[in-house]
Amino acid sequence: SQTIHQWPATLVQPVGSPLSLECTVEGTSNPNLYWYRQAAGRGLQLLFYSVGIGQISSEVPQNLSASRPQDRQFILSSKKLLLSDSGFYLCAGKNRQLSNGYTFGSGTRLTVV
Amino acid sequence: AQKVTQAQTEISVVEKEDVTLDCVYETRDTTYYLFWYKQPPSGELVFLIRRNSFDEQNEISGRYSWNFQKSTSSFNFTITASQVVDSAVYFCALRARFGNEKLTFGTGTRLTIIP
Repeated sequence: SQTIHQWPATLVQPVGSPLSLECTVEGTSNPNLYWYRQAAGRGLQLLFYSVGIGQISSEVPQNLSASRPQDRQFILSSKKLLLSDSGFYLCAGKNRQLSNGYTFGSGTRLTVV
Repeated sequence: AQKVTQAQTEISVVEKEDVTLDCVYETRDTTYYLFWYKQPPSGELVFLIRRNSFDEQNEISGRYSWNFQKSTSSFNFTITASQVVDSAVYFCALRARFGNEKLTFGTGTRLTIIP
């Protein structure tokens, strides 16, 4: 079965510092991968998705970027964090063999101070 | 464009009461999938159900049931005999059957079960 690993679980970073959140996938190959953000008290917003190595689509203009250097690795980055980047970040994978479709990681709670 | 609306931001019910969470969606796709996810305090999303747009049969799983009404673009979720462990944020989501398979989520409903 497909498993999504995310780390770290929590992160406190100062404004202006860089960010790198890593997501890795286990148990499947060539999945679609997604980064979602959940701001406090709000729903899940899709930030980026990737259908393969080096293929990134951005859903909303923002201070973040994503990369997929390997089939099972999806990275969310920022060169300089803003206060508004605070939130709960979830990585998800889509495998065609799964009837439910998606597997989510346990998330990273980012607080920018 | 796709849109999912969960008009109920927060709901509180006393334990053992039944509760229904509403979900209304908009899509131009002729075939699509609808989902419900549960997000406990730990944050991870837990899959509950997937419904195909071409299958309007309602589904029951234990204390959970789902009512899909294509005519009104609704996919409501009912918990019967609620329990404290049901307290969580519940998300309804939609995706097209084909294409990049992005999930569009509603804003979620925070359900609190009072003991």
